Amino acid sequence: QKEVEQNSGPLSVPEGAIASLNCTYSDRGSQSFFWYRQYSGKSPELIMSIYSNGDKEDGRFTAQLNKASQYVSLLIRDSQPSDSATYLCAVNRRGNYQLIWGAGTKLIIKP
Amino acid sequence: EPEVTQTPSHQVTQMGQEVILRCVPISNHLYFYWYRQILGQKVEFLVSFYNNEISEKSEIFDDQFSVERPDGSNFTLKIRSTKLEDSAMYFCASRGVTGVGYTFGSGTRLTVV
Repeated sequence: QKEVEQNSGPLSVPEGAIASLNCTYSDRGSQSFFWYRQYSGKSPELIMSIYSNGDKEDGRFTAQLNKASQYVSLLIRDSQPSDSATYLCAVNRRGNYQLIWGAGTKLIIKP
Repeated sequence: EPEVTQTPSHQVTQMGQEVILRCVPISNHLYFYWYRQILGQKVEFLVSFYNNEISEKSEIFDDQFSVERPDGSNFTLKIRSTKLEDSAMYFCASRGVTGVGYTFGSGTRLTVV
């Protein structure tokens, strides 16, 4: 079983709509969860971090965490063409600081 | 906004040669990391570094790899004898005392020929 799983996509969403990205993880001891955005050939850029169950909102982005279901998601409201990128889910295990990464979901926002 | 700086942006080297990838982390950060990403694949952890020593390393980080913080600002990754499969984007990252999310550098694309 992969430690962090994401649908590779591509996920195609019309401009202005809500994009929903999902991630599951296998280690119940995971404590910190991150969404990074990566443009082709560029480094990952931190979008959101979430540590406790529930929703966390930052501008057009909302991260949702459900530890019982081992599930974390990212919603992007009012999607823009500039949101087109690969979105990486990363998870930090209890007791160490390395991030375990999903393979990423490619998001395409259609004008 | 503070940033992590990596040099060079692109390095081409012959198989068997040594390479040193350089990073300048954010000045007040204490934890430093190297990750790599082979083209089209997921980001992979290599090593973490804190208080002038390796705190954690992955299976990828074998004897061919080493890290060093030679002065108060630079953080380097050395690959002693490069192999074709070392071709990848290498990212340096750092974080401060609070929080776990890192700041990544722009990466060094290493091509081994």
